Amino acid sequence: NAGVMQNPRHLVRRRGQEARLRCSPMKGHSHVYWYRQLPEEGLKFMVYLQKENIIDESGMPKERFSAEFPKEGPSILRIQQVVRGDSAAYFCASSPGQGSGETQYFGPGTRLLVL
Amino acid sequence: QKEVEQDPGPLSVPEGAIVSLNCTYSNSAFQYFMWYRQYSRKGPELLMYTYSSGNKEDGRFTAQVDKSSKYISLFIRDSQPSDSATYLCAMEGGGGNKLTFGTGTQLKVEL
Repeated sequence: NAGVMQNPRHLVRRRGQEARLRCSPMKGHSHVYWYRQLPEEGLKFMVYLQKENIIDESGMPKERFSAEFPKEGPSILRIQQVVRGDSAAYFCASSPGQGSGETQYFGPGTRLLVL
Repeated sequence: QKEVEQDPGPLSVPEGAIVSLNCTYSNSAFQYFMWYRQYSRKGPELLMYTYSSGNKEDGRFTAQVDKSSKYISLFIRDSQPSDSATYLCAMEGGGGNKLTFGTGTQLKVEL
């Protein structure tokens, strides 16, 4: 039973390029969450999605960042025109989608380095 | 002031010691409390999950929640070198399903 899958595990981009991070939730899970972990900081919530619907994007930066979870395929976190401050570990989590207080299961993360 | 405060450590203990980790929080809407363990360069792994106040035990791990004091704890008995990791407290409440994390406490259990 595969857990949450994320790819790529490591991503290097130059300033101004685009970064695309992918997340496949656990089997049977319909809710996806993205978190960012900066060095020496805890995880910070970014966005919460269901299939074809953004539920809460209160943690997303206003510019350059977007997320989607299409009907088919993985969830995508997209960062346009990356800057050095975007260097961080980005974690995806998923839950079954049955209500509040659900356990969120995390993937291994994508480590983004912006040169 | 952060919503969730957690001492970053590092905390170093000898093998077999009892470890106490804790977090304080300010948002009274939090209802669900979790402890995650994160090994270096890995994703967080859920250790304990507690709803509202009370204690929960699972093997060598005990989680306590005191909502009146806005204080949660994780105790690890008979600590092992394999317990060396960063421990993150996380909380949820008030709707929206998003987790609010502490910064994590780095624990090292030495032989």
